[in-house]
Amino acid sequence: EVQLVQSGAEVKKPGESLKISCKASGYSFTNYWIGWVRQMPGKGLEWMGIIYPGDSDTRYSPSFQGQVTISADKSISIAYLQWSSLKAADTAMYYCARIVGPTVEYVDYWGQGTLVTVSS
Amino acid sequence: EIVMTQSPATLSVSPGERVTLSCRASQSVSSNLAWYQQKPGQAPRLLIYGASTRATGFPARFSGSGSGTEFTLTISSLQSEDFAVYYCQQYNNWLTFGGGTKVEIK
Repeated sequence: EVQLVQSGAEVKKPGESLKISCKASGYSFTNYWIGWVRQMPGKGLEWMGIIYPGDSDTRYSPSFQGQVTISADKSISIAYLQWSSLKAADTAMYYCARIVGPTVEYVDYWGQGTLVTVSS
Repeated sequence: EIVMTQSPATLSVSPGERVTLSCRASQSVSSNLAWYQQKPGQAPRLLIYGASTRATGFPARFSGSGSGTEFTLTISSLQSEDFAVYYCQQYNNWLTFGGGTKVEIK
């Protein structure tokens, strides 16, 4: 059974750093792209970026380039999303997602989401 | 970047009604379009891919159509469990979501 299990909710202060995780199981981690999707409170879905764990090829949406870092450790089948300096505007639910296709297509499995709250 | 526009933003309907949701792309995405359903407090769930192929677990009352820049998601007879937000997403050129359509109880 394919599963993406994300790390738990976080409460941080502005300026702090954070790394959240997405543990994959039930499939070959290195053969599928993993993406991160942001959902701000009461808002829609936004693609942040994707990574191919097989070779660490990473791509970012223009809005998120330079704002976050996506990485993966294929030895333990975990993808990460990290911030070096959080802002209040980073408060959101973050989902990891397995992407179908070598050409990057649609999501067939989602993590349960990680709620990040940034407040002073 | 390809912009996806969904309409209407909110749709108030009664159970049993036929529902049509629209998704428009700012440029052609061929048939590289997916639809997702998201219920409150849950992650999204793949509903349709390739513009018209229904994902596993969704009944035949859900159907997708369209190609190029105009796409439609139809629910032939709305059931109580179908009240949710529906998002389209193109994957022809990078990945972008539409803003979503909330289907609420009238």
